Formats: sequence, structure tokens, C-alpha cells
Amino acid sequence: KQEVTQIPAALSVPEGENLVLNCSFTDSAIYNLQWFRQDPGKGLTSLLLIQSSQREQTSGRLNASLDKSSGRSTLYIAASQPGDSATYLCARGVWGNKLVFGAGTILRVKS
Amino acid sequence: EPEVTQTPSHQVTQMGQEVILRCVPISNHLYFYWYRQILGQKVEFLVSFYNNEISEKSEIFDDQFSVERPDGSNFTLKIRSTKLEDSAMYFCASSDSGEQYFGPGTRLTVT
Repeated sequence: KQEVTQIPAALSVPEGENLVLNCSFTDSAIYNLQWFRQDPGKGLTSLLLIQSSQREQTSGRLNASLDKSSGRSTLYIAASQPGDSATYLCARGVWGNKLVFGAGTILRVKS
Repeated sequence: EPEVTQTPSHQVTQMGQEVILRCVPISNHLYFYWYRQILGQKVEFLVSFYNNEISEKSEIFDDQFSVERPDGSNFTLKIRSTKLEDSAMYFCASSDSGEQYFGPGTRLTVT
């Protein structure tokens, strides 16, 4: 079964802190790995996509890495801000292009 | 910036009624998807669509569900006879084979 697990389930940090969100998946047959942000009651905003041939991707204060051999991806957020407060979802792309999602990490950045 | 749009944003229907959820994918994308998220649960894949046919469907996508691309811009999800357990947020997504872009979702409430 293609499971995706995200740790921690929730995280509360003071503004300015650097933080790491973790995602692990079973089965190394991964097509790509996509990180999303979801605000309460809203849709999913794509943050970063890492292809299976890549090790990491960066966008502004965000950096995502992928280690297929260990079945792990991490999302690093530098200098966190209150506006970063949201649920962060990790999704692995499998052959056929469907995404399998984790349950998410709820992030709260306190000002 | 191109985006996926969905209508309506909220649909309330009675059990047993048919509903059609509508999506306008990003114009040059070729792959289309429907996902759903029951309140408090993970985002789940329902169906993918490419070249005017279903490419993959999940166990959830039974005979009560159907998808259609009636013209060059719309992509619809029909639920023929809604059940209480169909209450969820339904997300449409599109891609050009890589990164998937999600719409804001339709909240379906079945009473």
C-alpha cells in the first residue's frame, strides 16, 4: 500500500525560527514529490515539486529535499513568519500521475 | 497567472439527488484529476483523465461517479445518487504531466 506519513502532526514555533517538516513514504517507486500549503477551508497551493531524478528544490525561503533510498522528504522553512501558518501537505506522485497525500503538518507561527 | 477554477463553491443537496461539480482546468494542460477531502481526513485521489478517457480510478470511484469533458474547457464530476458519506470537499486539479495545480474546491454537503 502506498502510504505517506508526515511528522510532526502539529508544530508551534515563534516567529523567525527555522523549521523542518518531515514526510516519509513506503515504496521507492516514486515519480515525483510535491509539497502543498492548505489554508483552513481553502484549496491546495503547490509550493515545490521534486522530480524523482532530483535531490532538492528551492523557492524563496522554502527548500525541499528528496531521498528516495530512505523514503524521505523534508521541507525546510527559513525565518518563519506568522503568514506561514497553515497546513503543509506532502504528496508522492506515482506512475499514472495520481498523488498520494499525507495527513499534513499543522504549522502555527506565533508573532 | 493561470489557475484552476471550480463551481459552485458550495453545494447542498438531498440524499439520492444527482450533483454535477464543474471545473475549468488550466488551458494548456492535458491531464485532469478529481480528489476529495472528507473533513479532518487526508486528500484522496478519485480519478484521472487524459486524452478524453479515464486513465485511472480509485476504489471510491464506483458506478455512482462519472467524469466528462463536454467541451474544450470544462471538466465535470457527476455523482448520480448522493449519499451522506459523499459529503466532502471536492478538488479538481490539472497538469501538463508534472506539477499538479488544484482549484479552490467545491464543498458538497449531503443532507
